[in-house]
Order: sequence, then structure tokens, then C-alpha cells
Amino acid sequence: KNEVEQSPQNLTAQEGEFITINCSYSVGISALHWLQQHPGGGIVSLFMLSSGKKKHGRLIATINIQEKHSSLHITASHPRDSAVYICAAQDRDDKIIFGKGTRLHILP
Amino acid sequence: ETGVTQTPRHLVMGMTNKKSLKCEQHLGHNAMYWYKQSAKKPLELMFVYNFKEQTENNSVPSRFSPECPNSSHLFLHLHTLQPEDSALYLCASSQDIFPLGQYFGPGTRLTVL
Repeated sequence: KNEVEQSPQNLTAQEGEFITINCSYSVGISALHWLQQHPGGGIVSLFMLSSGKKKHGRLIATINIQEKHSSLHITASHPRDSAVYICAAQDRDDKIIFGKGTRLHILP
Repeated sequence: ETGVTQTPRHLVMGMTNKKSLKCEQHLGHNAMYWYKQSAKKPLELMFVYNFKEQTENNSVPSRFSPECPNSSHLFLHLHTLQPEDSALYLCASSQDIFPLGQYFGPGTRLTVL
């Protein structure tokens, strides 16, 4: 059974702060996904990782395959970054298991 | 704008009704997916279609019936649903079936009375 654990479940921070959201998974994967869900339900796929690090604008995603751990970082956070961030692990059979999400609230 | 549209955005139905959810993607993708998101629970993958062929059915009850007439359209037919089926139903598409990143639609908020 593959479990995907995210922490923290909820995070409130001030505008400008550096944000880190963590994701741990329990078995071998072929890829790790980070998704962003805005209020109202719309979901955007942010990153797909199989190794190393990816950067897109103020968002950075890293993965450590040996430690079975991934992090999503947001630099210079802004209120529009407020959303639920979801980690999803794709196992070697291509089955995708989603974490429960981290609710992020950035205060102006 | 995601390029994946879903209709309706909100649906309220009784347990004896029959309704359908529609998804359309304008991205030229070959794979389409249905997900369910219940309150306070992780996303659940329901069905996967690749080149109009169903490749995955994650033990979904038969009261949910998918249909994929072509690579651009995906339907989820609903009948005799239960109140616990109330959830956000999300459609997604991707160029190739897993593992590439998926583009999600805005979802249909379904309430079963």
C-alpha cells in the first residue's frame, strides 16, 4: 500500500515569507506530482518530478528519491498563492496516489 | 484558462435521477481522466481513457458509467446515486497517458439529495 503524507495540513504565513510544503511517500515511484487547487475547485498541475529539482517562477520543487521525500517551496509568497497544494505519487504501475493536501493561506 | 471545460459546474440531483457530466478538452490530448474529490479526502482517480479506450477503472461502482466517444469528449453518466456520492468531480487530460502532467477542468460540484 502506497501512502502519501503531506505536512503541514494547514499553513498561514505573511506575504513575502518563504514557504515549504513537504511530501513523503512509502514505495518506489516513477514520478511525483505537485498540484495546486484554488478555491472553487480548479486544479493546475505544477510540477512532475522524477529526480532533482525544478523551478517555475517563484515555485521550486525538489525530490530526494533515496529518502522518498519531496518539497515544494514558494519564494516571496503572495496572497494569490493561497490555495491547496496537493502531492501525488505515481508508482511503477502508473497508479497515482494523492496526498490530502496542504491548505496555504498567505496574509497581506 | 486550462483548455479543459466541464459542464455543468453545479448539479443537484435526487437519488432516482439520471444525469450526465460532460468534459471537453481543446488541447489535442489523447488521454482523459475522471477524478472524484470528496470533502476532506484526497483526490481519487475513477477512470482513465487513452485514445478512446478505457484503460483503468479504479473499482468504481456501476452507478457511475463513463463514455468517451472521441479523444476530445468524456462523459460520466450518473444513475441511482447515493448521498455519499456528493463530491467535486474533476476531469483532466494529458498528451499521453501517465506520467505526463495533466490539465484539469474546473470540476462539477455534485450534490445528491
